[in-house]
Amino acid sequence: GAVVSQHPSWVICKSGTSVKIECRSLDFQATTMFWYRQFPKQSLMLMATSNEGSKATYEQGVEKDKFLINHASLTLSTLTVTSAHPEDSSFYICSALDRSGATTNEKLFFGSGTQLSVL
Amino acid sequence: AQSVTQLDSHVSVSEGTPVLLRCNYSSSYSPSLFWYVQHPNKGLQLLLKYTSAATLVKGINGFEAEFKKSETSFHLTKPSAHMSDAAEYFCVVKGGYQKVTFGTGTKLQVIP
Repeated sequence: GAVVSQHPSWVICKSGTSVKIECRSLDFQATTMFWYRQFPKQSLMLMATSNEGSKATYEQGVEKDKFLINHASLTLSTLTVTSAHPEDSSFYICSALDRSGATTNEKLFFGSGTQLSVL
Repeated sequence: AQSVTQLDSHVSVSEGTPVLLRCNYSSSYSPSLFWYVQHPNKGLQLLLKYTSAATLVKGINGFEAEFKKSETSFHLTKPSAHMSDAAEYFCVVKGGYQKVTFGTGTKLQVIP
């Protein structure tokens, strides 16, 4: 079964509204989660690294005030797209790092993605 | 139901020898299939993708994969491993309603 739950899988919103996407690790505690964005016909692009209890680390070119990340617990990280515009329409996916085993056995698990369409 | 199984969590090869990373999938929809690579502290990079065209897909860095519908497999291969190939590789299936499922990853170790 899925070990990382991402919700919602689809969302359509009006321009100017905010949308929250949740990423939950189900079987393990994830101190580190990642958020990616995929543009059509392109690879996944890392947006930010989310660390529990601290501020997220954003990749160059990603607006931190636009894409708010909150990692308030060891099993939940949220990405909020604020004042969404049509150009924010994209596929967003999260992943969570399971460090419960040995260092060499760290595993990265992915959510099933969220398709955001902004009208 | 849609699923991806990467049969090996770790693969170790000597430099210059062939690489085989195995992936099996299930999907009730005609899927698109992808292989991604992740180097430490970097984002995912697309190696190659199958989208119902040629069954043998060539990607970057000398990697290729063959889509075999009868075996529901999409194994990743490379004739000769380089040290720089050491990374984690993810097989991904994209099926109906844009649902994406990632495999659990295979860590490739290349021994000098």
